[in-house]
Amino acid sequence: GAVVSQHPSWVICKSGTSVKIECRSLDFQATTMFWYRQFPKQSLMLMATSNEGSKATYEQGVEKDKFLINHASLTLSTLTVTSAHPEDSSFYICSARPPGRQTYNEQFFGPGTRLTVL
Amino acid sequence: ILNVEQSPQSLHVQEGDSTNFTCSFPSSNFYALHWYRWETAKSPEALFVMTLNGDEKKKGRISATLNTKEGYSYLYIKGSQPEDSATYLCASGNNRLAFGKGNQVVVIP
Repeated sequence: GAVVSQHPSWVICKSGTSVKIECRSLDFQATTMFWYRQFPKQSLMLMATSNEGSKATYEQGVEKDKFLINHASLTLSTLTVTSAHPEDSSFYICSARPPGRQTYNEQFFGPGTRLTVL
Repeated sequence: ILNVEQSPQSLHVQEGDSTNFTCSFPSSNFYALHWYRWETAKSPEALFVMTLNGDEKKKGRISATLNTKEGYSYLYIKGSQPEDSATYLCASGNNRLAFGKGNQVVVIP
């Protein structure tokens, strides 16, 4: 149980284009999902917390107009990198929190998306 | 943002040997400590959630201990096998998890 998928697993795009990444909880409903970014040899860094039916909460330094998050259903959150630039190239990974796991913020992760912006 | 550190960054272990590595985190306002196992091209797999000082948890040949007063957790792998090769992540926090950079383990057959 608690399986999270992410699509695509990798994407290459041209500078200035937008890219959408999907995160799905396959066998549970998740009112809360999280988006992280990892640069080479660095730790996972939380970008934003996505709540179903409401606006995402962004971490300090993360541009909400650049990284659009939509959590329109209990099983799907999307991250859209708008007007992507080479410095946005990174590994993006999502997680979802099953019901009843709020106490210790237990999260289950997708496999991640490697974004390369040319 | 909490400062979570893991050491060593990478280690090579001979098959059959046991090994351990460390996660350090701020001891003040401690809430929970999470361990994940992350194989290449797969999703990080949740191993343990630890909350109490002195906690010790076990899953097969992998176990973990927690010292919240001094701010560290040890992860042990007993009798390492090639399938234990992975990056082991720890994270601490409450509503925001702060991750370490991971302990990359390579088990040599």
